[in-house]
Amino acid sequence: GEDVEQSLFLSVREGDSSVINCTYTDSSSTYLYWYKQEPGAGLQLLTYIFSNMDMKQDQRLTVLLNKKDKHLSLRIADTQTGDSAIYFCAESDTGGFKTIFGAGTRLFVKA
Amino acid sequence: DTEVTQTPKHLVMGMTNKKSLKCEQHMGHRAMYWYKQKAKKPPELMFVYSYEKLSINESVPSRFSPECPNSSLLNLHLHALQPEDSALYLCASSQPDRGTPLHFGNGTRLTVT
Repeated sequence: GEDVEQSLFLSVREGDSSVINCTYTDSSSTYLYWYKQEPGAGLQLLTYIFSNMDMKQDQRLTVLLNKKDKHLSLRIADTQTGDSAIYFCAESDTGGFKTIFGAGTRLFVKA
Repeated sequence: DTEVTQTPKHLVMGMTNKKSLKCEQHMGHRAMYWYKQKAKKPPELMFVYSYEKLSINESVPSRFSPECPNSSLLNLHLHALQPEDSALYLCASSQPDRGTPLHFGNGTRLTVT
């Protein structure tokens, strides 16, 4: 079945760049998402990319997609302490319906 | 601020109680979802309503009963829950025929005693 994998923990210093990686198995994935979850809150959609795109940039966020290797990454430039959260990678072939989530990467930003 | 509103934020209930979780969205989305999230885990899909009809039930126990009164509202009725049902319950919405991503509420933190 479909699976999404990501590393569980990342620690960076404030001001550095963070790169969170994700791999997925479903070759029919059309939509790939990054969600952020802060303590006690729901999931906030950060950005998403269609499978026919290689890259998407939105302010401090850059998403790279390698469709051949089924690899997705999220780069956060100039990481701040407010970026400390859990980041979920997710994929779907239909958008919304049957969204498959990774286990989440906990980002810890040291001041 | 989230465009999907869930109430209450916190709920403590005994195993014999009946309670309801409520969710409201005003984005015009026609699909609404209930997810359950345990600590340090990704959300798990429970139910999906599409155009006010239940389209997905992920083999959820009958002590959880969803209801979609209209396109903006989604309820989850709870009865005879177990302590292991304690979790964060998240509501989400999307537009099913446009491939939009899920938009989540901030959740209800449920504790069953």
